[in-house]
Formats: sequence, C-alpha cells, structure tokens
Amino acid sequence: DTAVSQTPKYLVTQMGNDKSIKCEQNLGHDTMYWYKQDSKKFLKIMFSYNNKELIINETVPNRFSPKSPDKAHLNLHINSLELGDSAVYFCASSQGRGLADTDTQYFGPGTRLTVL
Amino acid sequence: RKEVEQDPGPFNVPEGATVAFNCTYSNSASQSFFWYRQDCRKEPKLLMSVYSSGNEDGRFTAQLNRASQYISLLIRDSKLSDSATYLCVVKRGNTPLVFGKGTRLSVIA
Repeated sequence: DTAVSQTPKYLVTQMGNDKSIKCEQNLGHDTMYWYKQDSKKFLKIMFSYNNKELIINETVPNRFSPKSPDKAHLNLHINSLELGDSAVYFCASSQGRGLADTDTQYFGPGTRLTVL
Repeated sequence: RKEVEQDPGPFNVPEGATVAFNCTYSNSASQSFFWYRQDCRKEPKLLMSVYSSGNEDGRFTAQLNRASQYISLLIRDSKLSDSATYLCVVKRGNTPLVFGKGTRLSVIA
C-alpha cells in the first residue's frame, strides 16, 4: 500500500563506487522528484521528471544521472561516489508538474547513503 | 542569506502549551507558502498551506505577513505526538519548492 517507495533504505559504500537508488510510486502521478537532505538538514531539489521528461535539473554534478523508464519510476544513478554525497535522498511525486500550489508532493521514506 | 530562514530550536514545551514558530523569506516574489512536518528519520509531509488571510486546521494556525516577509505556525494544546521538525516552505512562480532548515519541537509530558 506504500504510495512512494524507495530502495534501498540504507546504502553504505566506498568512495569511487557507482550506485543506484530506485523509486516507484503507485499514485498514478505524472511528476516525480529527487531531493537531497544533507547533514545540515537542508532539503534541496535535484531533479524533476514529468511523464518521463526531465523538467527540472538543478545544479547537480554530472555524476548524478536520473532515469525514468516510465512515469511510475524514477531511479537515481550516482557515479564515482564522493564523501560529500553522504546524505538522505528522498524521492517524491505529485499529480501535476509541481508548479501549482495545489500540487502536493508526497515523499518516499528516504535512502540514507553513507560514503566511506 | 538563505532564501528561507527558521530558528532551528529545539523548542521544548510541556504538553498542553501553545507554541509558535516564525519563518522569514528573502524573496519578495515568493507566492506560495507551506508548512511541512518531518518526524525523526522520516520523510516530510505536508501539514498545511498558508494563505494570506490566515488559516486554521484544528489546533494549528498559519499566518502570512507579506509586508514583513514572514510566516508563522501556532500550535495550541500541544500533544506529545506533535514532536517533530517543522519545515517552512516557499515557492515562487514556476520554480521548485524551497525548504527551510526546520524548527525542532519537543513536547514533554
């Protein structure tokens, strides 16, 4: 019954590795997002996809590459992991493009990434 | 200066108390305002939108002061279950949501 789900919940890896985080939503929403919440607790948007099309791409290193195989899934692949990538990554979804006030965003439970 | 600023707290209050948080935003073009709630090690969830005329949802009241560019959240009759971090969120036009760092509230028995 989980509306927005992410896997894995925890990810511990070495610097330099490549890893992926998966996100799925069963709400029938058109738009999905990736957010990063760092150790200072700031929650910042990274990417947004609407119907598999990239609509928001904030200033994020090229090592981060989102992929949306269909509108219910948005995965995040990270190459050459660095210590500073350690954070909690939240996936979210909304019915519209997230641009209207009424486009409530529903967040997944988060993936806690630790880079050693 | 951060676009959205909040006192990080923590605010430690006894059950039944009334507590208020403020949040200031720097961009006068901001148009939409929200309060989200985030429990420890959980995802943020929308608590309420904030309207110019002020709005109330049960024990929670949100106010917006555009002239001074601040938003407030008032919680009456605090419950233990209100303990969480409250995130102030602003939005302008077609730009993404901008989250504040949050204010931590602990309600003590």
